[in-house]
Amino acid sequence: DVKVTQSSRYLVKRTGEKVFLECVQDMDHENMFWYRQDPGLGLRLIYFSYDVKMKEKGDIPEGYSVSREKKERFSLILESASTNQTSMYLCASSLLIQVREKLFFGSGTQLSVL
Amino acid sequence: AQSVAQPEDQVNVAEGNPLTVKCTYSVSGNPYLFWYVQYPNRGLQFLLKYITGDNLVKGSYGFEAEFNKSQTSFHLKKPSALVSDSALYFCAVNTGTASKLTFGTGTRLQVTL
Repeated sequence: DVKVTQSSRYLVKRTGEKVFLECVQDMDHENMFWYRQDPGLGLRLIYFSYDVKMKEKGDIPEGYSVSREKKERFSLILESASTNQTSMYLCASSLLIQVREKLFFGSGTQLSVL
Repeated sequence: AQSVAQPEDQVNVAEGNPLTVKCTYSVSGNPYLFWYVQYPNRGLQFLLKYITGDNLVKGSYGFEAEFNKSQTSFHLKKPSALVSDSALYFCAVNTGTASKLTFGTGTRLQVTL
């Protein structure tokens, strides 16, 4: 089975801190994604990557950046954390770039910014 | 722009009864439709997808979904609900020209004894 691993299940940070969320997948998938999940809003795409060192903005990229130096690892960076970035962050991957491919999700990181 | 609507925040059903979780979509072009489930403290898991062909799609755990192009709907169904089906369900849509999946707001399914 495909495994998508997010480094932290719970994270508490202070306003203004630089925050790194890490995600690793073990099945050589081309695509990787970062979503945030908020009650009543569902999942919203922050950034995605279809290849090493390639990235594209999703629907809500403001305040975030990403890094993909190796195929298996996709990092989400909050340059200066703010309280409105308190959320559940979900990483996902898919095998191919075709839009019909299903996503495999990690268990999520619940980030609280105080 | 593509969008998905899940009109019910919560659906309550008794164990053994049939269940339906509703989803409607809006896209330009042909849709690719997905259902995902999220159990407590877990990430999302793929349930089923419609790409083309038969309008009735069967998926994991006895779930199925019916694609209705005229009503732009993709409702999730199960003939007999189980307590263990209690979870958060997300509908999602993509098209052949879009490279990202758009999710609905989710519907919480509560199955009681």
